[in-house]
Amino acid sequence: GAGVSQSPRYKVAKRGQDVALRCDPISGHVSLFWYQQALGQGPEFLTYFQNEAQLDKSGLPSDRFFAERPEGSVSTLKIQRTQQEDSAVYLCASSLFRNTEAFFGQGTRLTVV
Amino acid sequence: AQSVTQLDSQVPVFEEAPVELRCNYSSSVSVYLFWYVQYPNQGLQLLLKYLSGSTLVKGINGFEAEFNKSQTSFHLRKPSVHISDTAEYFCAVSDLQGNQFYFGTGTSLTVIP
Repeated sequence: GAGVSQSPRYKVAKRGQDVALRCDPISGHVSLFWYQQALGQGPEFLTYFQNEAQLDKSGLPSDRFFAERPEGSVSTLKIQRTQQEDSAVYLCASSLFRNTEAFFGQGTRLTVV
Repeated sequence: AQSVTQLDSQVPVFEEAPVELRCNYSSSVSVYLFWYVQYPNQGLQLLLKYLSGSTLVKGINGFEAEFNKSQTSFHLRKPSVHISDTAEYFCAVSDLQGNQFYFGTGTSLTVIP
């Protein structure tokens, strides 16, 4: 596609439910990032992939968060046993190589009730 | 590690007036610097970036920023704002490997007719 696509755009989950957020990066982009953006805050880094390799997951807030990119293209961010503090917009970005421009998707707004 | 401080959380300005959005960063290594804009319910869009070379960087929509290494600043400026510039603006920094982008907390620019 022309840009980074994220689905769903909105997700409401009951506390304790598992969720999976999908990111389709721009075709051919090597680098893929996930960010968490709480209301009124800047994006906070979660994790980074170079192709299928997860090179940095230092930003994942707990072991309930898991990300994968098995074939080096589509990525999924999974959150297990969601809690209210997980409510945020989850942004995905991709770039052709490291330190080139990162293109962001529109995000998935997760609300945990 | 790097960090970014955006000193103003909200900036109201009248239409056709100039504006400056401030950004300071801290890092023990050389960095790349970016400004992103986020319109309501949209992803982040790159305005401009400093990688190397001239310290005055021109971006889209008439914005420019100046990298000042001695003051560790990268302030964003526009000589005459439009209503359509109303949005959230984020300053970001990355190391030269580009494995992460660290974002500031954002500045909400409101252009008043």
